[in-house]
Amino acid sequence: GAVVSQHPSRVICKSGTSVKIECRSLDFQATTMFWYRQFPKQSLMLMATSNEGSKATYEQGVEKDKFLINHASLTLSTLTVTSAHPEDSSFYICSARDFAGGQGARGYTFGSGTRLTVV
Amino acid sequence: AQKITQTQPGMFVQEKEAVTLDCTYDTSDPSYGLFWYKQPSSGEMIFLIYQGSYDQQNATEGRYSLNFQKARKSANLVISASQLGDSAMYFCAMRPSNDYKLSFGAGTTVTVRA
Repeated sequence: GAVVSQHPSRVICKSGTSVKIECRSLDFQATTMFWYRQFPKQSLMLMATSNEGSKATYEQGVEKDKFLINHASLTLSTLTVTSAHPEDSSFYICSARDFAGGQGARGYTFGSGTRLTVV
Repeated sequence: AQKITQTQPGMFVQEKEAVTLDCTYDTSDPSYGLFWYKQPSSGEMIFLIYQGSYDQQNATEGRYSLNFQKARKSANLVISASQLGDSAMYFCAMRPSNDYKLSFGAGTTVTVRA
C-alpha cells in the first residue's frame, strides 16, 4: 500500500535553531501534502496545505514565516520550523493525498510523525 | 465550516467485549466522507474505516463497523471483541466534497482491560 516516510521521528534542538522535517511518498505521487500539529492528548490541528510546485496555504493563526513548507516535487514535502522556541515543542505529522485520490485509506496516507523538543 | 464532536474523552472496555465510540458532525454539505483513525502511543495514524455520505450500507472492516445515521449526523465506530492492542486514541474525521482537508474530532482514548 501507499507509504509516507517521515523523518526524523524524534528531534531535540536548541532554542533559536531551525529544524527540518521531511515527508516522502515512497510509491505514489503526492499531489497534496497536509501538515498537522498535535499536542499531547489533543486532536490534530491542520497547519497548512501544500501542493507540488506552488506556495503552501496556511491555516489561520499559523505563522508562515516560522513554519516554512516546501513541496518541491510530487514525492517530497518539507516543514522547517525556524528559530524554534520551547513552545514549538509538539508532535508534527504529515499526510499525503495520492494522485489518484482513492482506494484503501480513501486517498490519505499519514507519515509516522516527528516529535520535536526544543530546549 | 465542518465540526466534528467526540464527547467521550476516555473509555474503558473489558477484553473481548464490544465498545462504541461516538461521533457527531455538523455540515451543510450534501456530500462528504467520514473516517475513523486509530492512534497508538507511538503516534502513527492508522486508517480504520471510511463511510461516504451516499453509501447505502454501513461500512465494515473486520472488527470495525460504522453505525452511520445520516439524519442524526452521527457516525459511531463499533469495535467488536476488543483486544489489548486496541488501546489507543481514536479520531473521527470528515472531508467535504469540495475540499480535501480533513477535520478531526477531539478524540477518544480507549483502554482495554484484561
